[in-house]
Amino acid sequence: KNQVEQSPQSLIILEGKNCTLQCNYTVSPFSNLRWYKQDTGRGPVSLTIMTFSENTKSNGRYTATLDADTKQSSLHITASQLSDSASYICVVSAWGGGADGLTFGKGTHLIIQP
Amino acid sequence: DGGITQSPKYLFRKEGQNVTLSCEQNLNHDAMYWYRQDPGQGLRLIYYSQIVNDFQKGDIAEGYSVSREKKESFPLTVTSAQKNPTAFYLCASRKAEASTNEKLFFGSGTQLSVL
Repeated sequence: KNQVEQSPQSLIILEGKNCTLQCNYTVSPFSNLRWYKQDTGRGPVSLTIMTFSENTKSNGRYTATLDADTKQSSLHITASQLSDSASYICVVSAWGGGADGLTFGKGTHLIIQP
Repeated sequence: DGGITQSPKYLFRKEGQNVTLSCEQNLNHDAMYWYRQDPGQGLRLIYYSQIVNDFQKGDIAEGYSVSREKKESFPLTVTSAQKNPTAFYLCASRKAEASTNEKLFFGSGTQLSVL
């Protein structure tokens, strides 16, 4: 069964600090991995996509990494801001799966304190 | 602005009542989806549609129904058969169902609660 596990479940850090969120998956055959940001009471918004051949991808202060051998991804947030407070969801796609091939993690709830 | 619009933002259902959640997109996307989100859980697929007048059940379709009469619209009905409907419902779309590299565009969600 395809699974996506995210850690930690929740995280509180001070504004300006860095943090790293983890995503481990057992999805086969692997197509791509996306990180989404979901503000409270809103829909998720895509931050970045990682395919099999990509190791690192940045989007502003967000940097995602992928290790396809160990089936792990991380999302690093640099110089956190209050607006980074949100849930971050890891979503892994299987080849040829379409909607059925998307496996969602439960998310990491990040709180940035002033 | 192109995007997905869900309405209403909040909805209350009485026991035995059917309620319908609206989802409209102006992105010219063929594929549309309904997900259910419960606290501390990952999104679960209810129904999806690849093209007008066609839709498929997802993982948790029991107690729900959909229609796709227009490309832009994909309403979800929560029927009285759904005994635990309280959840946050998200509508999403993407250009084509088979485009695994295409990102999903999500609406702002509808919070459904039982009175």
